[in-house]
Amino acid sequence: QKEVEQDPGPLSVPEGAIVSLNCTYSNSAFQYFMWYRQYSRKGPELLMYTYSSGNKEDGRFTAQVDKSSKYISLFIRDSQPSDSATYLCAMSATGANSKLTFGKGITLSVRP
Amino acid sequence: NAGVTQTPKFRILKIGQSMTLQCTQDMNHNYMYWYRQDPGMGLKLIYYSVGAGITDKGEVPNGYNVSRSTTEDFPLRLELAAPSQTSVYFCASRNGQGSHYEQYFGPGTRLTVT
Repeated sequence: QKEVEQDPGPLSVPEGAIVSLNCTYSNSAFQYFMWYRQYSRKGPELLMYTYSSGNKEDGRFTAQVDKSSKYISLFIRDSQPSDSATYLCAMSATGANSKLTFGKGITLSVRP
Repeated sequence: NAGVTQTPKFRILKIGQSMTLQCTQDMNHNYMYWYRQDPGMGLKLIYYSVGAGITDKGEVPNGYNVSRSTTEDFPLRLELAAPSQTSVYFCASRNGQGSHYEQYFGPGTRLTVT
């Protein structure tokens, strides 16, 4: 089993739809959970992060972590064409030298 | 601040050639990373550095070498390029304190080996 598994894509939705992106993981040491967004031909940029379990909301984006199920989600409300990008989940354990483990990424397209 | 810069943006290499991918950051970050990204495969860590003079292997180091003589620069060396090294290479950096999860990425170098 891979350490981090991400739902395969691509995903295409109409503008205004609610989007749910998901990842599962197997390493119980992971404590930091992140979502990176990557526009075409650009480097990834941090979108949201959560420490341990719980929810975090930032505008139209909500990140959820369920450590008991080893499952994380990113919800996008009222999706916009500008949300079209590849979304990568990433995780790390605690410790200054901890490294990020990335999912494979899912490409989202929001149709006007 | 320019953030993380990478050169070149694109490169085509012939099998067996060598090259150095350059990475520079101006944020005084201690930690720097090299990743490769293949289509549909996410980001794989090649090498990383926790400070000048200190480097270590990541998940996929074979065929690559790095050095870190200054805080700002972290070049990645490809020796004897192979088609399997065709990929997009990203350099990233982060602060050594506080939000260690936030890595800042450069724009990438697209490398083709034929």
